[in-house]
Formats: sequence, structure tokens, C-alpha cells
Amino acid sequence: GQNIDQPTEMTATEGAIVQINCTYQTSGFNGLFWYQQHAGEAPTFLSYNVLDGLEEKGRFSSFLSRSKGYSYLLLKELQMKDSASYLCAPMDSNYQLIWGAGTKLIIKP
Amino acid sequence: GAVVSQHPSWVICKSGTSVKIECRSLDFQATTMFWYRQFPKQSLMLMATSNEGSKATYEQGVEKDKFLINHASLTLSTLTVTSAHPEDSSFYICSARTGFGDATEAFFGQGTRLTVV
Repeated sequence: GQNIDQPTEMTATEGAIVQINCTYQTSGFNGLFWYQQHAGEAPTFLSYNVLDGLEEKGRFSSFLSRSKGYSYLLLKELQMKDSASYLCAPMDSNYQLIWGAGTKLIIKP
Repeated sequence: GAVVSQHPSWVICKSGTSVKIECRSLDFQATTMFWYRQFPKQSLMLMATSNEGSKATYEQGVEKDKFLINHASLTLSTLTVTSAHPEDSSFYICSARTGFGDATEAFFGQGTRLTVV
């Protein structure tokens, strides 16, 4: 079956760095997306990885290891507005996004 | 990025009535649109996939006669919740992709919070 595993909740301090891990099992693989979702809102796109390695985009970076079925999202210089849920969504062989429950990130002053 | 507009943002309706939710791609043609439902603190659940001009493909367990999807043009898809019941209260989100069969980014609408009383 298809499965996504992320921590349910994480807490970090404003200004710090946090890494949100994601392991996945899918039927085929066509890349992995990370989305941010604030409570009551639709997800917004953060990053897309299809090859192994690190993709950096400002304060956010995303890493992928296809052989390990593993990705992480790295958030630097955390701000209070980064408090949100972060969704790891791999794309299977049918180009369908597979969604987990996401990681709720709580930022404390 | 591309913009997907979803309307209404929230709606309250009486049990037994029908509600229509619109999803529009404003600056691109969406060959494929997806409808999701999300209950509080749960993951997005794909309800159906619709391609312009053809019937929607529903996920297992989703009643196609209850959740009517119409994708009449490349910029508009609608979801109608028929004979709504309180258990249909949820956050409904549409997303659109410009291509089919390639890993293009999925753009999301703002979501519609439906409350059935």
C-alpha cells in the first residue's frame, strides 16, 4: 500500500532551525512536494524534488533520497508566521499526490 | 504562480439542501482538476479527479450521485453536494494542474468550509 509517515507535531523556537522528516512508500514515484497549510486555509506550494539531493529556496530547503524513501523540509530563521502544518506529498506512478496528515509546527517566542 | 479561485469561501446550509462550489483557474487552462475533502486535523482526502469534457473519476467510497462534479470548460469545475447532511460538513478544496501525465505543480483554491445544520 501507499503510506506517508511524518511526525504529528513539532515545537521550535523563533529564530531557530527545524527539520521535518518524511518517509514514504508509494506505487511508483514521480517526485515529492512539500506544502504549507495554515489552519482553515488551503495548502500552498513550498517545494518539489524529483532527483536526490537538496533544493534550497530562501529560508526553506528540501531534501530527497529516493532509495531510502525519505525527504525532509528544513526551515531556517524561524518566524512566528511559520506556525502551520507541513504536508509531505509524494506523487505516485499515476501522477497522483499521496497525502499524509502533515506535521503541525508550533513556533514559540 | 498560477491562481485558482474557489467560491464560496464558506457556506452554511440546511440539511437536505444542495450546495454548489465553484473552482476557477484564472490565468491558465486546467486540463485536470481535483476535489479534496479535509476533516479537522486530518489529511486531505481526494474525492474525485475531473478532466475537461469527460466524466469525473471518483475515489472509492465517494458517492458520485451525492457529489456531482462538472468540468465543462478548461477554466471551471463545480462540485455540488446534493441533499447535504451534517456529516458532509467539512473543508472542501479544489486544485488544478496545467498538464496531464507530468509532474506539474498543483495549484489550490482557497477552500470552502461547508457547515450543514
